[in-house]
Amino acid sequence: GQNIDQPTEMTATEGAIVQINCTYQTSGFNGLFWYQQHAGEAPTFLSYNVLDGLEEKGRFSSFLSRSKGYSYLLLKELQMKDSASYLCAVDNYGQNFVFGPGTRLSVLP
Amino acid sequence: KAGVTQTPRYLIKTRGQQVTLSCSPISGHRSVSWYQQTPGQGLQFLFEYFSETQRNKGNFPGRFSGRQFSNSRSEMNVSTLELGDSALYLCASSLASGGHTDTQYFGPGTRLTVL
Repeated sequence: GQNIDQPTEMTATEGAIVQINCTYQTSGFNGLFWYQQHAGEAPTFLSYNVLDGLEEKGRFSSFLSRSKGYSYLLLKELQMKDSASYLCAVDNYGQNFVFGPGTRLSVLP
Repeated sequence: KAGVTQTPRYLIKTRGQQVTLSCSPISGHRSVSWYQQTPGQGLQFLFEYFSETQRNKGNFPGRFSGRQFSNSRSEMNVSTLELGDSALYLCASSLASGGHTDTQYFGPGTRLTVL
């Protein structure tokens, strides 16, 4: 089975850098995904990792280490609009996505 | 390209009633997955449909069912509603190209309130 853990809440300052961690215990997966979800809205896709290493997409980067059971999402130059929940999910060999509980990020001025 | 659409956006029902939710995937996407999201449980997988067949199923009671039509549109039905069914129901579509991994794109969701 899949068990995914994320910090419940984080706070950071506008313009700063924040790292949101995701740890998992799983028998394996195709890829690890990150989604952003603003309150009352649907999750929107941010990035995914299939191989170990860093994937960079503008202000957002995601890192995966399969051997350590660990991923993180890095957000740079934080903006107020980045206040949202961030969900990490694994693609369970094409069967379904298993989501972590999400991390609620608050960006303060 | 239009995104995933879901109707209705909001629904209020009473216990014991049944409800049908609809999802239209992104054009060309063949897989539709349904999720239930609640504050306590987070995003929980309900089921996934591909080519009108249920391919995968989560751990929900038989009151939750779905189907997919030949145009890939999907419906989800919940019978004998319970208070605990109050949630945001999200549908997600993916290409299901058979590749190594497949991004899921979510619709806006249907907010169901059971009174």
